[in-house]
Amino acid sequence: GQNIDQPTEMTATEGAIVQINCTYQTSGFNGLFWYQQHAGEAPTFLSYNVLDGLEEKGRFSSFLSRSKGYSYLLLKELQMKDSASYLCAVMDSNYQLIWGAGTKLIIKP
Amino acid sequence: ETGVTQTPRHLVMGMTNKKSLKCEQHLGHNAMYWYKQSAKKPLELMFVYSLEERVENNSVPSRFSPECPNSSHLFLHLHTLQPEDSALYLCASSQEPANPGNEQFFGPGTRLTVL
Repeated sequence: GQNIDQPTEMTATEGAIVQINCTYQTSGFNGLFWYQQHAGEAPTFLSYNVLDGLEEKGRFSSFLSRSKGYSYLLLKELQMKDSASYLCAVMDSNYQLIWGAGTKLIIKP
Repeated sequence: ETGVTQTPRHLVMGMTNKKSLKCEQHLGHNAMYWYKQSAKKPLELMFVYSLEERVENNSVPSRFSPECPNSSHLFLHLHTLQPEDSALYLCASSQEPANPGNEQFFGPGTRLTVL
């Protein structure tokens, strides 16, 4: 079956760095997405990786290793507004997004 | 209005009621999606429409009935629901359903409670 694993919850301190991991087993691979979802709001797109390596976008970076079925989202200089759930999703061979259950990130002052 | 809008934002209904959820996208996209989001569970894809034609139906019970009258509007008709159907229902759109890298844009969702 298809499976996306990510930690349920993480806690970090304002100003610090946090890495949210995602491992996947899917039927085919057409890229991996990271979305941010604040409580009670819509998920919003953060990043897309289809080739191995690191993609940097401001304070957020996303890494992919296709051979390991692994990705991480790196958040630097954490701010209180980064408190949210972070969703990992893989597009499979049928171009469907397979979603993880999300990682709730709690930022403490 | 911009992006993806959904109405109503909250809905409480009895098991014998009939109601409809509405989604509208103002992005000029060709594909629209319905997802179910339950607490601490992955997003579940329910339906996919591409250019107003249904291209995916992930074994969703018949008490959920989608309708896509045009590429900007998507409805989810609900009847004789069960309490376990209580969840956040999210609508999304994208340029193409089968194009790697096409991000999906989500609406704020309808929080549904079935009594």
